[in-house]
Amino acid sequence: EIVLTQSPGTLSLSPGERATLSCRASQSVNGNYLAWFQQKPGQAPRLLIYGASSRATGIPDRFSGSGSGTDFTLTISRLEPEDFAVYYCQQYGSSPQTFGQGTKVEIK
Amino acid sequence: EVRLVESGGGLVQPGGSLRLSCAASGFTFSSYWMNWVRQAPGKGLEWVANIKPDGSEIYYVDSVKGRFTISRDNAKNSLFLQMNSLRPEDTAVYYCARPGASWGQGTLVTVSS
Repeated sequence: EIVLTQSPGTLSLSPGERATLSCRASQSVNGNYLAWFQQKPGQAPRLLIYGASSRATGIPDRFSGSGSGTDFTLTISRLEPEDFAVYYCQQYGSSPQTFGQGTKVEIK
Repeated sequence: EVRLVESGGGLVQPGGSLRLSCAASGFTFSSYWMNWVRQAPGKGLEWVANIKPDGSEIYYVDSVKGRFTISRDNAKNSLFLQMNSLRPEDTAVYYCARPGASWGQGTLVTVSS
């Protein structure tokens, strides 16, 4: 089983700042099948990035994904008020598929 | 547009059963692996099970093995999760998901006496 470790657990930033979220895998993610999701309270997770770096339909270009193998990053170039939420990474290249524990981006 | 709609959740007593369904549209359902993912109240996301496009490979998280059964009907673009011997710790919102794509809104399963 691939264990995904997200860091930091909480990120305290102000609107307009840059956010950098990390997702590290215990072994290489097959095919770089790594996704990032955003979740707000009471809502279903929203797909942001798939295949490590491809933005999902309708996702603003301030969101970008990068990385390969075992180290992946989600970057939000300039935080908007609606971006404060919890972010999860998921590897779907091998079963069992696994999720990171989440990073909360909160308003400083 | 990928659209997934779950149904079948509800309140059930410990030891009871429920069958979840997921109606898929907007893509060629028979070509994709499909997942069930759950989220307990206030907790993170947990992958539960997945199934290969033709149903020939199936995987489960250890905590549901022997109790849950994932299946699909490609002719009806539908995914299912049969849940038996339910426990309070199975209480969660259950999501149908196509890997690398958008998810449904989820269906709440509450296991309580």
